[in-house]
Amino acid sequence: RKEVEQDPGPFNVPEGATVAFNCTYSNSASQSFFWYRQDCRKEPKLLMSVYSSGNEDGRFTAQLNRASQYISLLIRDSKLSDSATYLCVVKWVGGGADGLTFGKGTHLIIQP
Amino acid sequence: GAGVSQSPRYKVAKRGQDVALRCDPISGHVSLFWYQQALGQGPEFLTYFQNEAQLDKSGLPSDRFFAERPEGSVSTLKIQRTQQEDSAVYLCASSFPTGGTGNTIYFGEGSWLTVV
Repeated sequence: RKEVEQDPGPFNVPEGATVAFNCTYSNSASQSFFWYRQDCRKEPKLLMSVYSSGNEDGRFTAQLNRASQYISLLIRDSKLSDSATYLCVVKWVGGGADGLTFGKGTHLIIQP
Repeated sequence: GAGVSQSPRYKVAKRGQDVALRCDPISGHVSLFWYQQALGQGPEFLTYFQNEAQLDKSGLPSDRFFAERPEGSVSTLKIQRTQQEDSAVYLCASSFPTGGTGNTIYFGEGSWLTVV
């Protein structure tokens, strides 16, 4: 069974702090990796893709470790507006549907 | 429209009732997906269309679930004889073009189904 595992949290973090969370995936043939953000009662939205060499977008840094089959997301200088659920998303080789497999999400709460 | 549009946004159905959920994808998007998201869970894949062809329906939980996209644009997800375990948000997403590893998919706001 193809699985994507995340710590559901919640992670309670003071504003301005750095927070990181990981996601593990079971299928070594996984092809593409993403972090999506989902606000309460809203739809998921793409936050960033995750590249093998690691990539950064402002305060957000994503890393991929193929050997250990995990991806990570690091948020620096966290803002109140970063409070959301962060979904780890994996696309499998031959994943037929062209669709994505989602983790259950990590709930992040930034506290003032 | 500018984004993926879903209707109804909220639906309360009595157990045993049939429901139909509509998705209007972004204009020109070839791929259309349906996901089911239960409370506290991540979205779970249901089915996938490429134009009007339903290429993958492996995620549909039972034969009570049926999806169609007859003209390759608007799609309808139908649930027959609804059960309480069907209560969830049903998310529609679309993308263009097909294939590839990095195509972004865009979600609608979802149809919130509660079966009582």
